[in-house]
Amino acid sequence: DQQVKQNSPSLSVQEGRISILNCDYTNSMFDYFLWYKKYPAEGPTFLISISSIKDKNEDGRFTVFLNKSAKHLSLHIVPSQPGDSAVYFCAALASGSARQLTFGSGTQLTVLP
Amino acid sequence: GAGVSQSPSNKVTEKGKDVELRCDPISGHTALYWYRQSLGQGLEFLIYFQGNSAPDKSGLPSDRFSAERTGGSVSTLTIQRTQQEDSAVYLCASTFLRGDNSPLHFGNGTRLTVT
Repeated sequence: DQQVKQNSPSLSVQEGRISILNCDYTNSMFDYFLWYKKYPAEGPTFLISISSIKDKNEDGRFTVFLNKSAKHLSLHIVPSQPGDSAVYFCAALASGSARQLTFGSGTQLTVLP
Repeated sequence: GAGVSQSPSNKVTEKGKDVELRCDPISGHTALYWYRQSLGQGLEFLIYFQGNSAPDKSGLPSDRFSAERTGGSVSTLTIQRTQQEDSAVYLCASTFLRGDNSPLHFGNGTRLTVT
């Protein structure tokens, strides 16, 4: 039973355009959400996070939106750059869970020059 | 400073053999996690160490898997009698628990292939 779902295994976007990566979750106990970025042969690196008390968090070109009622979050990258090409993982956390992150299966983003 | 270091980076082993995977967390990080990523899958939680507390082993898939953390630093994940379905990238992560939401820092992983 996947509690965190990334239904798009891949996404291609033209350089300069917006990339939108989506994530859905089922566990209503999740109250903190993170996005990680992973290049081949490297471990995931933290990108941006959002608490359930917010609906938006912005950091430079990266913005994460949270819709609690829909149990949906999205990561927007604008403008997209070729160096953004990587696998993006959505992860969720329930407070008091000893910080066991639950990860989605990832979306491969390819930004075309 | 140094990040999370994992060794070996790649390991090929025959079915039935035992393997040991090593993780050196970031100095001062009190929490250490093991995850694995099978082909086309997300990261699957395996085990969690926090300070001197008993580890949370709830994610270990079978009793062939075990892990220890010596002196609150280096951790070793051991897989006994490896099976082909154990083939995956095994990722270690550490964090310094400052409140609840400090992000995990991952190593580059060990790619295990069981033939």
